[in-house]
Formats: sequence, C-alpha cells, structure tokens
Amino acid sequence: EAQVTQNPRYLITVTGKKLTVTCSQNMNHEYMSWYRQDPGLGLRQIYYSMNVEVTDKGDVPEGYKVSRKEKRNFPLILESPSPNQTSLYFCASSSGSVSSYNEQFFGPGTRLTVL
Amino acid sequence: AQSVTQLGSHVSVSEGALVLLRCNYSSSVPPYLFWYVQYPNQGLQLLLKYTTGATLVKGINGFEAEFKKSETSFHLTKPSAHMSDAAEYFCAVTSSGSARQLTFGSGTQLTVLP
Repeated sequence: EAQVTQNPRYLITVTGKKLTVTCSQNMNHEYMSWYRQDPGLGLRQIYYSMNVEVTDKGDVPEGYKVSRKEKRNFPLILESPSPNQTSLYFCASSSGSVSSYNEQFFGPGTRLTVL
Repeated sequence: AQSVTQLGSHVSVSEGALVLLRCNYSSSVPPYLFWYVQYPNQGLQLLLKYTTGATLVKGINGFEAEFKKSETSFHLTKPSAHMSDAAEYFCAVTSSGSARQLTFGSGTQLTVLP
C-alpha cells in the first residue's frame, strides 16, 4: 500500500530535550515536505526537499532541522524544543513528474507537546 | 508569491442542504488548486484538484469545485450534505514553478446538523 508513515504519532517532551520525528514514504517520490498545523493558521511549511541531499526552508523553519540522506526518509529534528513548537506535524511527499501536478500525499500526523 | 483565503472558519449546514465552502487565491502564475479534507484525528486526504482544462472538477464523496479565473476563486460545493461530511476542509494552491510549495488556507470546519 502506497503511504507516508510518521513516528511517533504522539509525543510529550520537555523544553530543551532533543527529539526526532521520522517520516518515510514508499512511493519513490522525489519531493518531501514538513508542515505544522495550528488552530486558525492552517498548515504552514517548515522545510522541504526536492531530492536526496537537497533541502530548503519553508515559511517557518526556525527551531527545526531536516536531512535527506535517503530518498524515502525525511526526518524532522528539534535540537532544543520550546513550548511554542507544540503543534500537529505532517509529513508529505510528491512525485517529481510534471504530470503529478504537485499533488502531495500526507502522513497521519504527529502531535507534539513541549512542556 | 501565492496565498489562499478561506472565508468562514466555521460553517454549519443541515443534513441534505447545500454545502458551499469558499476559497479565493492569489498567484502570479497559473495555479494548481486543491481541496483537502481532514477528518478528526486523521491526516489530509485529497478531495479534488484543478490543474488544467475543464474548470469544473469533480472529486470524491460528491464534492465538486469550479475554477473561476476572473474571480480568483475555487469554491467547494456539494448538493446535499451528509453527516459523514463533518470535517475540516483546506484549500491549497501551488504552481508549476513553485518547487512544489503548497500554500494552504486556514481551513473551514464544516458541521452538519441533523
């Protein structure tokens, strides 16, 4: 089954404790992206990656890091989480082909609480 | 630069009534437009998309949307609401030259009343 998976689905942590949220897709997609969803703000893009070893900032990159060492994986790293990073996070992927029209496939989400 | 405005953060309709969720966009290049639905505690699922060609697009679950370039709109409609349509709906825009950056609206929560 074609899918985007995220782990963990739920995470409660404390300020300053480094954490990683994993994202993996099995569709051989070139493009992957991270979003955060906050009430009244919709989804805002954190980082995206056009392909292996190619990443770029989205609209709200502060406090986050990413890496793309393999095509299927795109982990999101919070080196020193703060309470304002409490949010619902989504990973998404998309084919690099023009015919895909940029349609993105989303993971189930990771609900992060930073105390 | 591109942006999306969804009018009405909350919309309530009676079961069987028309559903109309509004979306206006701005884009400096021809847009690709999407509607996504998010059911409680789930990820986003694509409802429908406009890329090129026919401006009236049909999606899953009886939803459709019409791309109106002159009005920069992409409103979502469904003739008859069902209880199972209760969810949050997001309009999104991207373009062929945007490096696949998808810009979302702030979402509309649809409530269906019995």
